[in-house]
Amino acid sequence: AQSVTQLGSHVSVSEGALVLLRCNYSSSVPPYLFWYVQYPNQGLQLLLKYTTGATLVKGINGFEAEFKKSETSFHLTKPSAHMSDAAEYFCAVRSWSSYKLIFGSGTRLLVRP
Amino acid sequence: NAGVTQTPKFQVLKTGQSMTLQCAQDMNHNSMYWYRQDPGMGLRLIYYSASEGTTDKGEVPNGYNVSRLNKREFSLRLESAAPSQTSVYFCASSEDPGQGYNAPLHFGNGTRLTVT
Repeated sequence: AQSVTQLGSHVSVSEGALVLLRCNYSSSVPPYLFWYVQYPNQGLQLLLKYTTGATLVKGINGFEAEFKKSETSFHLTKPSAHMSDAAEYFCAVRSWSSYKLIFGSGTRLLVRP
Repeated sequence: NAGVTQTPKFQVLKTGQSMTLQCAQDMNHNSMYWYRQDPGMGLRLIYYSASEGTTDKGEVPNGYNVSRLNKREFSLRLESAAPSQTSVYFCASSEDPGQGYNAPLHFGNGTRLTVT
């Protein structure tokens, strides 16, 4: 069965610092991968998705993620954090033949002034 | 441009009571989903409906039933609520995956349910 692990339930960075949120998936075949963001009291919003092709995926709000098959990872990065980036971030995985989208446990990003 | 609409936004139930959570989407999507969100556990899939007329169990279906009323609407029913069902419930929809299943999900804003 597909699964996804997010390392670190909380990540704290200073405004202007690099943001790195980690995601590893378990699959023998590279799946479809997604990052979502959730602001307080709201639903989830798609940041970016990996399907096939280019391993570096650019998303909204300056975020990007790199797919590394050898490491089964799909880490999310942003060069310079803004206060508005404070939210919870979820990595999710879907196999090639399934409707089910499986989520990681989430990482809450805190941005210090 | 409503997207996915969930009602109610908040609900408090006593143990043993029943209720139905409503969800409607206006994006002409074929697939619809119900998730629950609990602290530290991410989102877990309860049920999904690949298309009108079909429903399937997800990771945590026990204690829930669903109805895909038509293409727009997908409801979640708790027949006898338990405190363990206290959670935030999200409905989502997506385009027909077709080949590849890479269509993202579009989420509603959630229903916050407390069972006492």
